Amino acid sequence: DGGITQSPKYLFRKEGQNVTLSCEQNLNHDAMYWYRQDPGQGLRLIYYSQIVNDFQKGDIAEGYSVSREKKESFPLTVTSAQKNPTAFYLCASRPSGERNEQYFGPGTRLTVT
Amino acid sequence: EDKVVQSPLSLVVHEGDTVTLNCSYEVTNFRSLLWYKQEKKAPTFLFMLTSSGIEKKSGRLSSILDKKELFSILNITATQTGDSAVYLCAVERGTNAGKSTFGDGTTLTVKP
Repeated sequence: DGGITQSPKYLFRKEGQNVTLSCEQNLNHDAMYWYRQDPGQGLRLIYYSQIVNDFQKGDIAEGYSVSREKKESFPLTVTSAQKNPTAFYLCASRPSGERNEQYFGPGTRLTVT
Repeated sequence: EDKVVQSPLSLVVHEGDTVTLNCSYEVTNFRSLLWYKQEKKAPTFLFMLTSSGIEKKSGRLSSILDKKELFSILNITATQTGDSAVYLCAVERGTNAGKSTFGDGTTLTVKP
């Protein structure tokens, strides 16, 4: 089955700890994205990558880091510098060409106390 | 800065009603506008609109774009409880390809 997987579904961390969220896709998509969603709000772009070994900051990149060493994988690290990390995190991918729609993973809900 | 505004923020209707959701935008070098449905977790794609005046239709859902007035509407006719979800609108630029700006969504609740 083709798709995007994110793990874990729920994650709890203590303040001051870095945490890495996993995102894997087997759709052979070039572009991948990380979004953050807070209650009652839309998606805000954290980082995106259009090809392997390259990525760009989105609108709210501070306190986050990413890597794109493989086409299939785009992990997101939430660092201790992120002031308000508790949120729902969504990963997405998109095929090349004219089709613009993004395919989303099931999300990871991160709670930091 | 790109901006996408959706209205209303929330809407409660009864089964069988028709609803219209609105999305207005300001974006430099517009490429496309997309609608997604988010039921619990992952948003799923509904429509992509690039040209003004051409209606996209899928069953009871339809959408149209007005590039002159910078807005789009999503219509749902004969609503069902399964239509209850958050509907997200996103716009994409022609440059910085792949970077989308999302609105805050409209939460639709359809009561039996």
